[in-house]
Parts: sequence; structure tokens; C-alpha cells
Amino acid sequence: GEDVEQSLFLSVREGDSSVINCTYTDSSSTYLYWYKQEPGAGLQLLTYIFSNMDMKQDQRLTVLLNKKDKHLSLRIADTQTGDSAIYFCAEPIYSGGYQKVTFGTGTKLQVIP
Amino acid sequence: GAVVSQHPSWVICKSGTSVKIECRSLDFQATTMFWYRQFPKQSLMLMATSNEGSKATYEQGVEKDKFLINHASLTLSTLTVTSAHPEDSSFYICSAPTTADETQYFGPGTRLLVL
Repeated sequence: GEDVEQSLFLSVREGDSSVINCTYTDSSSTYLYWYKQEPGAGLQLLTYIFSNMDMKQDQRLTVLLNKKDKHLSLRIADTQTGDSAIYFCAEPIYSGGYQKVTFGTGTKLQVIP
Repeated sequence: GAVVSQHPSWVICKSGTSVKIECRSLDFQATTMFWYRQFPKQSLMLMATSNEGSKATYEQGVEKDKFLINHASLTLSTLTVTSAHPEDSSFYICSAPTTADETQYFGPGTRLLVL
């Protein structure tokens, strides 16, 4: 199957850390993505991690990858109100010679001032 | 990063009319582009893979005669929703991978409302 699962909703206070979790299905994925979607807008690529890495840090963002459990997480440090959005993890699936992207169900992050 | 644009950004049309949505890669060539649909409060669902110079590949359950895809050039793919009905109202997003790193870059989306 190609199900990528996430918790639907997360609420945090401004200044706290947010952790968004994702479980994926294809263990052969070369890398995994995190996208951000603000209300009424398209997708913004936040970061990605190669499958041979356990962790990647990019400013306030930390991505952790547990390949054994097929678990991916995104930690946002010092969460700000501007971080309120829906976050999608995504994995590339190769099919018929093409790379398709399968998206998770999305986690809505609400930041309380 | 690479830039993908879509036009129009939103469109309202009457039931039964056809609507064309354009997806352009602005600073790179894309032999492949993807079309997604997103219903409110749901994730993105891949509709079809647009291939330059050949027919599009549709995902299961997507009607190819209703959603016509034309990959006219290495920088342009169009999605035409034919005989649109209210249930076609959705947010349509295209993406294109760069050959450099295979990262998918997404357009800003087109919001379609069929009355």
C-alpha cells in the first residue's frame, strides 16, 4: 500500500517546540519530504532528508528518521504563530519509471499566542 | 529553488463548461509534471502524470476523458476539466521534478468553483 499516516491535529503555545510525526510505507524511498501548506495556498517544500541519514537540522527545523520503524518526525523549535499551517510528510514512489509523490494525511498545527 | 507557476489562481465557472489550467516551469525544463487534487481538509491526491511528447498516465479512478492533459512543451502542461460539475470543485495543484535533484516543486494551486 501507499498509505502515509500522520496525526491530524497539533496545538502548541508560541515559543514551545512542536513535533509532527509520520509513518511511511516504502522502505526503498531515497529521501522523504516535509511540506508546509498555509491556508488557501500551495505547498512549500520545508526540508527533506536522505534515507541514509538519521537526522537533519536546518535552523529551527530538525528531522529525525527511523528507518527500522519507518517513522519520520519534524521538530520545530521556538514555534511561532507564522508556523500555523498544515504539514505534510511525503515520500517518492517510483512507478513505471516515474517518481510520484505520495502525501501523508497532513497535520494541522495551531500555534496559540 | 525552482519555480512552478499556475494560471489561473482561481476560477469560477458554470456547470457544463470546460476549464483549462496551465502549469509552467519557469526556470527549468520538465519532461514530467504531475497533477494533484485536494479537497477541503484532505490531503493531496495524485490525478495523473503528464509526459512531454506522449500521453498522460492517469491514476486509478480518474477519468481521462474528463480531465484532459496536454504536455505541450518542456515547460508547459495543461489540465482541462471538461463539462465541469459542482463535484469537480477543488484545489488543483501541479508539480514538476527537477532533473538536478528530483525534488518536486509545486505550483501555487488553482482553486476551481463550479456553480
